[in-house]
Amino acid sequence: DVKVTQSSRYLVKRTGEKVFLECVQDMDHENMFWYRQDPGLGLRLIYFSYDVKMKEKGDIPEGYSVSREKKERFSLILESASTNQTSMYLCASTIPGHGAGELFFGEGSRLTVL
Amino acid sequence: AQSVTQPDIHITVSEGASLELRCNYSYGATPYLFWYVQSPGQGLQLLLKYFSGDTLVQGIKGFEAEFKRSQSSFNLRKPSVHWSDAAEYFCAASSGNTPLVFGKGTRLSVIA
Repeated sequence: DVKVTQSSRYLVKRTGEKVFLECVQDMDHENMFWYRQDPGLGLRLIYFSYDVKMKEKGDIPEGYSVSREKKERFSLILESASTNQTSMYLCASTIPGHGAGELFFGEGSRLTVL
Repeated sequence: AQSVTQPDIHITVSEGASLELRCNYSYGATPYLFWYVQSPGQGLQLLLKYFSGDTLVQGIKGFEAEFKRSQSSFNLRKPSVHWSDAAEYFCAASSGNTPLVFGKGTRLSVIA
């Protein structure tokens, strides 16, 4: 069974802290994505990666960075967390091509920044 | 800019009634189109997808969607809603290997 695992379901951090959100997929997918989900705003793309060591900015990359050192792992980093980054973060993966839309999602990481 | 619009933020239907959730897209060419569902406390799950060909596509859980090029729409339908269908539904689009663009979602409530 395919699986995208996000390391933390719930996190509470303080303003200014560095935050790591980890995502691991076991499907050998090339493409991985980080979205944030906010009520009334839907899903917005933060960063994505089509290969190891590769990363591309999405629609809202400010305040975030990512790391993809291994194919199966895609990490989202908040260098200095702020309260407006309180949100649900969703990781997803897929294969290239037509399957690019068939995203497999993790269960999400709900981050609260105080 | 490419965009996906879901005009309805929240819809309430009675159990057993039919359902239609609206989705419109704005793309230069016909994109690949998708519907995802997010049940409470769960991740998103793909319901169905349209790439080309037959404009009526069948998905899981008894859902179907119809692609209408003239209206730039891809509406989701179900003939008879069950209480377990209460969830948030997202329409999404992609042009080839570009990342998905999601609509803002429609929350479905089901009443007895």
